[in-house]
Amino acid sequence: GEDVEQSLFLSVREGDSSVINCTYTDSSSTYLYWYKQEPGAGLQLLTYIFSNMDMKQDQRLTVLLNKKDKHLSLRIADTQTGDSAIYFCAESIGRGPRRALTFGSGTRLQVQP
Amino acid sequence: GAVVSQHPSWVICKSGTSVKIECRSLDFQATTMFWYRQFPKQSLMLMATSNEGSKATYEQGVEKDKFLINHASLTLSTLTVTSAHPEDSSFYICSARDLPAGGQHEQYFGPGTRLTVT
Repeated sequence: GEDVEQSLFLSVREGDSSVINCTYTDSSSTYLYWYKQEPGAGLQLLTYIFSNMDMKQDQRLTVLLNKKDKHLSLRIADTQTGDSAIYFCAESIGRGPRRALTFGSGTRLQVQP
Repeated sequence: GAVVSQHPSWVICKSGTSVKIECRSLDFQATTMFWYRQFPKQSLMLMATSNEGSKATYEQGVEKDKFLINHASLTLSTLTVTSAHPEDSSFYICSARDLPAGGQHEQYFGPGTRLTVT
């Protein structure tokens, strides 16, 4: 079955790097995503990675994928107080337009000034 | 970018009444929309997949007679919580796929609707 796990909480100081980790169990995942959710708001897609990639960088965000270990991480460089939010990893399995996403439990990132 | 709206953003209703939540894709057509439910400090759980012009596909454990989904047009899906109970209180989020131009990652989320049943 599908299962996506994340640590619940991460606290960093402003300016430091943040690394949020995620593990998943389904090896047939095609795309893996990182979403950000601010209090009372919906989800904002931050970045995604195709399952045949190892790394993707997008400005301050770096996604690393270890497909062998089914481990995904999101690194935020120079973390700012505005980065404080809940971060969800999600996987998409198979192809076609009708797939929903399976979400992890979310990691609450707290950035200390 | 593509925008998905939800209405209302926040609703309080009495136990036993029904509540309708709308999900609209504002600037694109969505043949498929998804309804998720999020409990406080928890992840999103998929409730159902809403397909335009056909019946919704519900996830295991979701009561289709309680959570009525209608996807009447390419830009609107509605979720009606019937005979609401306090345990239905939750944050309901919809998402939509931008088709056919959208790629695999083109799934846009609405801002969510917070339902409180008293």
